[in-house]
This record gives sequence, C-alpha cells and structure tokens, in this order.
Amino acid sequence: DTEVTQTPKHLVMGMTNKKSLKCEQHMGHRAMYWYKQKAKKPPELMFVYSYEKLSINESVPSRFSPECPNSSLLNLHLHALQPEDSALYLCASSQGYRDAPYEQYFGPGTRLTVT
Amino acid sequence: GENVEQHPSTLSVQEGDSAVIKCTYSDSASNYFPWYKQELGKRPQLIIDIRSNVGEKKDQRIAVTLNKTAKHFSLHITETQPEDSAVYFCAASRFFGNEKLTFGTGTRLTIIP
Repeated sequence: DTEVTQTPKHLVMGMTNKKSLKCEQHMGHRAMYWYKQKAKKPPELMFVYSYEKLSINESVPSRFSPECPNSSLLNLHLHALQPEDSALYLCASSQGYRDAPYEQYFGPGTRLTVT
Repeated sequence: GENVEQHPSTLSVQEGDSAVIKCTYSDSASNYFPWYKQELGKRPQLIIDIRSNVGEKKDQRIAVTLNKTAKHFSLHITETQPEDSAVYFCAASRFFGNEKLTFGTGTRLTIIP
C-alpha cells in the first residue's frame, strides 16, 4: 500500500466552526507533513511530525492545531478560520529517518472553503 | 532558509519536442532535489529525484541534471506527449527524513498536439 488518504475531500465551514482534517498512511512511514496550497501556487509547509512528535512548525497561526495520535494518523484541527485560509490542504508522509529514501508521498488533499 | 527559483513559469511545446525547466537553490546544505507533477485538481506526484552525489539521472523520457557548484538543477522531458501537460514543481531539501521540502513556484507545461 503506497497511498496516503485524506478525509474529507471537500469541506465548507464558517468562521466560528470547529472542524478536523484527517490523514492516514499504512506504509510504516515515521514522518508526516501538512502543507497548504493556494491556487496556482506551490505547496507551503505548515507542520512536520517525526516519530509522532512535532518537529517543525512553520509559524502557523494557532487556529490550526495539528495532532498525531499514532504513527499512521495525522489530524489538523481547525477553529475560527478566516476566509483567506481557504485552500487545498495536503498531507504527505516519508520514511522519516536518516539515510532512508526520502520521497514524500502526497495525499489527494482536502479542499477547504471558509465562508 | 532555503529559496528555490523556477523558470519559466509557463512553457508551451509542440508534441514530440523537448521541454526543459530550470531551478536554482540557495542553501548549499540542500542535497535532495525532487520534481513533482501536479495535474489540475490532483495531488503532486513525484516523477524523478536526484541526490547531490549524482550529476544526472534518467528515467525513460525524463531526466534531471544537477550542478552543485552553480546550485542549479534542471528537468528535461523528451518526446513530449499531451499527457505531459501539467504543472511541474521542483523542490529542495536536506537529506534527512524529517526535513521540509521547499518548492519552486511551478511551471505550467502545455503540450500542443
């Protein structure tokens, strides 16, 4: 299984809502990532988890809260978002240890619209 | 931090001709350089990558070259086909399992039948 899955595919939420994005992989990868991609732009890194610990936070606003419950799952909790947070949210995973193949495999993304 | 520049931003090529996309990076510690293809509404997919101890890598119609001294790397697609139409992103990172990928700004490649 070389797939990263994400749910939901689409999400529309109001600025006062709380929602969560979910990402799952069963490749035994120990590094997982959240990226944000705006239209016609490259993916921008938000968070990196390594061995279920947050290792990189790219100065993301606290209205985005990541969680890694276990080595296969990655969540992104959303609260009090702004319309400019509307984007495609991509999850990725990689083997996650030194000298290992470093390919990052991307999930299909969640298209988020904040109204 | 790392900065990756990518050119051109758009490229139109006649079917069967070759396409070349170029990237430069700023961090001399970067030593892993993947290329991703992203079709409209789909996920980025790795098409080829190169590590800093290699100067060139080829996979069928796709090749990547790396010049560490000049800090630039290029993607070459030969015998282009309509299905090659997509946005291509270069990226750079350090060769550790939990490091970030810094992406270039992307090239929209259109293959003209």
